[in-house]
Amino acid sequence: GNSVTQMEGPVTLSEEAFLTINCTYTATGYPSLFWYVQYPGEGLQLLLKATKADDKGSNKGFEATYRKETTSFHLEKGSVQVSDSAVYFCAQDGGATNKLIFGTGTLLAVQP
Amino acid sequence: GAGVSQSPSNKVTEKGKDVELRCDPISGHTALYWYRQSLGQGLEFLIYFQGNSAPDKSGLPSDRFSAERTGGSVSTLTIQRTQQEDSAVYLCASTRGETQYFGPGTRLTVL
Repeated sequence: GNSVTQMEGPVTLSEEAFLTINCTYTATGYPSLFWYVQYPGEGLQLLLKATKADDKGSNKGFEATYRKETTSFHLEKGSVQVSDSAVYFCAQDGGATNKLIFGTGTLLAVQP
Repeated sequence: GAGVSQSPSNKVTEKGKDVELRCDPISGHTALYWYRQSLGQGLEFLIYFQGNSAPDKSGLPSDRFSAERTGGSVSTLTIQRTQQEDSAVYLCASTRGETQYFGPGTRLTVL
């Protein structure tokens, strides 16, 4: 069945470091892809999305490109801040109901 | 309201008791989802409502779980005869397009 695999955490970086969180998916067809973020003590928020191959989603300095050839949607940011510390979830929408299939989440800790 | 709201925010119950969790979606959103976030299983889909259509219950883990959505708005997730493995954060999301907006969740602890 459809699934999402993302890199294990935690990821610990210093402020202004470059961030990559890998995400790959398996799917029949071409799902939309999402990154959600969960800040400490808060609910899930949509960070960015891409709906078709080669689309790039971007928000708050984060980017991810929908790569059909590698079935990937890696999250990147050029210079992380302490305020980016959160859990990041990669997801795809699965089928006619658009229910989300999530990866296991990656905890990012950014140190000053 | 401005966003999806859920109540209660925390619920502690004893094994074997029934619990009800409530979700108020964003006004005008026709689709509503329940998910569960637990340590062992990550984020899992439970059930989906769309308008007056029959719900997609394919994610419900057992027949102790049920949900309803009255008047196309508020939804209640009911867990009967709770077990310790039901302990998790239960999340509700609503949408009228592609982007799902999540509520803050209900943290359920079964003792």
